[in-house]
This record gives sequence, C-alpha cells and structure tokens, in this order.
Amino acid sequence: EAGVTQSPTHLIKTRGQQATLRCSPISGHTSVYWYQQALGLGLQFLLWYDEGEERNRGNFPPRFSGRQFPNYSSELNVNALELEDSALYLCASRKDRGDLSSEDTQYFGPGTRLTVL
Amino acid sequence: GENVEQHPSTLSVQEGDSAVIKCTYSDSASNYFPWYKQELGKGPQLIIDIRSNVGEKKDQRIAVTLNKTAKHFSLHITETQPEDSAVYFCAAADSGYSSASKIIFGSGTRLSIRP
Repeated sequence: EAGVTQSPTHLIKTRGQQATLRCSPISGHTSVYWYQQALGLGLQFLLWYDEGEERNRGNFPPRFSGRQFPNYSSELNVNALELEDSALYLCASRKDRGDLSSEDTQYFGPGTRLTVL
Repeated sequence: GENVEQHPSTLSVQEGDSAVIKCTYSDSASNYFPWYKQELGKGPQLIIDIRSNVGEKKDQRIAVTLNKTAKHFSLHITETQPEDSAVYFCAAADSGYSSASKIIFGSGTRLSIRP
C-alpha cells in the first residue's frame, strides 16, 4: 500500500511570492492534516480537511490556506511569503471514521521543504 | 489550551543502554497517545501507541507506559542501537469527531546513540 506522498520535495521562493504544496493521502483515507515544522522545533498544526471541507485550523494567519479535492488529495497555499515561513511542511492522512483507533492514526508523508529567500 | 510537555529535549545514551522519554499532558479528555520517530530528512513515523484503557504496551525493544491519573506517559527503548538515533515525538489526542480529532504533539526529543 502506497503511503502519503507530497510534492514537491523542495521548493525555493522569494519573499512576497506564493507557494503551493500538494499532498496525496493513503488510499481510503478521507482526512488530511497539514503541519509546519520549523528547524529545530516541533510540529505546529496548520489545517485539517475532511470530506472536502476545512474542519479546523491552527494559529496561523489567513495567508495560509488550502483545499481538499474530491479524490481527497489536498493543496496548501501560502501567500505573501515571509522569511519565517521557511520550514518543512508535513502532510498526514487518516481514515477519520469519527473515532480514534490504531487504524485511524495519522500517517505522515516525507514533507516539502520550503525555503524563502 | 491543550498542551503536551516532553522531556528531555536531547538525550545521549551508550549503545546497548536504555533510553526513557517522558511526556505530560493537560487535557483530561485525552485518551490516545501515539509516539512518532522522525529520522533526518523524513516525515514522522508511528512506532507505538497506547489508549487510556491500557497501562502499558510493549513491542519488541519499545514499550510505552501510561499513568492517566498523573497525566504522564513514557517511551522506553531497551538495548539501544545506532539506528534508534532520531527525534522522537509524543502526542496526545481525544477521540471523537466533534473534538476535531486534533493531535497535540510534544516538542520532541533528539536521541543520540553513542557507539
């Protein structure tokens, strides 16, 4: 079974530009979570999508947005990039049948490393 | 708000010795506690998890213990090997769709195994 995939692996942008990151969940998973991991820091929750809708978001400005497509893949958009947006962006997927069990654990992709110059 | 504290932030142990990482959580509704291992340049990978109706769970050299009264849970790695070197994250979550099913992560522990 294929795991969570993310593209691109690396992305280099300049301040003020926009970045688009993509995530494909594990087959059969309906929920997609996005996290930001700055260098040396932990995982900061960004967004949660399920069944095409945004269900929750973390403490990030509105220039961080995204969407989930009918095939459950997801896109994270970051507008007006700032230097401090440089980080590893991780996507995780989960079955999300409404109850956590070992089978419903979040499974992470390899991440997209975004560098803002 | 919900919080998960993880200690230590860095840990260095001799190969073959045991390593212990400890976490505390604040949300009493938390009932699911996964542990993730993140190797350099990779995403976090689930290594073991435990639910609140269980006090201890073991998988080969890895074990996790949970003290729900004290809101503590710990990861124990025995007979450490060089490939155990990585960053380890604990997490806590409460099940149920209405709670947004958000997992709160600890800040991570960088484990180094000395040869």
